[in-house]
Amino acid sequence: LAKTTQPISMDSYEGQEVNITCSHNNIATNDYITWYQQFPSQGPRFIIQGYKTKVTNEVASLFIPADRKSSTLSLPRVSLSDTAVYYCLVGDQVSGNTGKLIFGQGTTLQVKP
Amino acid sequence: NAGVTQTPKFQVLKTGQSMTLQCAQDMNHNSMYWYRQDPGMGLRLIYYSASEGTTDKGEVPNGYNVSRLNKREFSLRLESAAPSQTSVYFCASRGRTAGPEAFFGQGTRLTVV
Repeated sequence: LAKTTQPISMDSYEGQEVNITCSHNNIATNDYITWYQQFPSQGPRFIIQGYKTKVTNEVASLFIPADRKSSTLSLPRVSLSDTAVYYCLVGDQVSGNTGKLIFGQGTTLQVKP
Repeated sequence: NAGVTQTPKFQVLKTGQSMTLQCAQDMNHNSMYWYRQDPGMGLRLIYYSASEGTTDKGEVPNGYNVSRLNKREFSLRLESAAPSQTSVYFCASRGRTAGPEAFFGQGTRLTVV
């Protein structure tokens, strides 16, 4: 899997937009970019995935530049409940490839009132 | 649809005791994973199984063994528990879909005294 680098921690205030950037310089042609969210005492859960340009769902947006060497997870108008650890993963999407998943340290987002 | 089920949820062991953590998924996924998460740390992959009948080491396999009993079940065994194995253990599974989307159980909190 491509190695990812993201900030260890970030602070924000309620109502602000939060952008978390992940670097993945050696991303492969077939790799998708996936973000997970983990609340305290729970397992991670998938929040968004993309391959290029922009993807948006009800939770977040994912921005991927043309060179795909980085990606930015954008959380609009965060609330206290968005306090969590956010993981960036890059993995193969070749059909049938279900190998290892390495999560790394993640980014701990602390939202303050 | 239960998803990924882990048992037990909590366990206290004495140093040197053995135990098996159970994991079952009902999503017909090919791949299953075991992770550990120490306080304030990210997830670290212990072992994974890309398909029924195969298992591979992850980042921190020492002190653990695994069995992929069938497509649904993937167990993690501690033969001689040590205090350093005190952690929260998560099981996950994923299928043949684009990108590394995985589904996690609720975790097993293990304390070795």
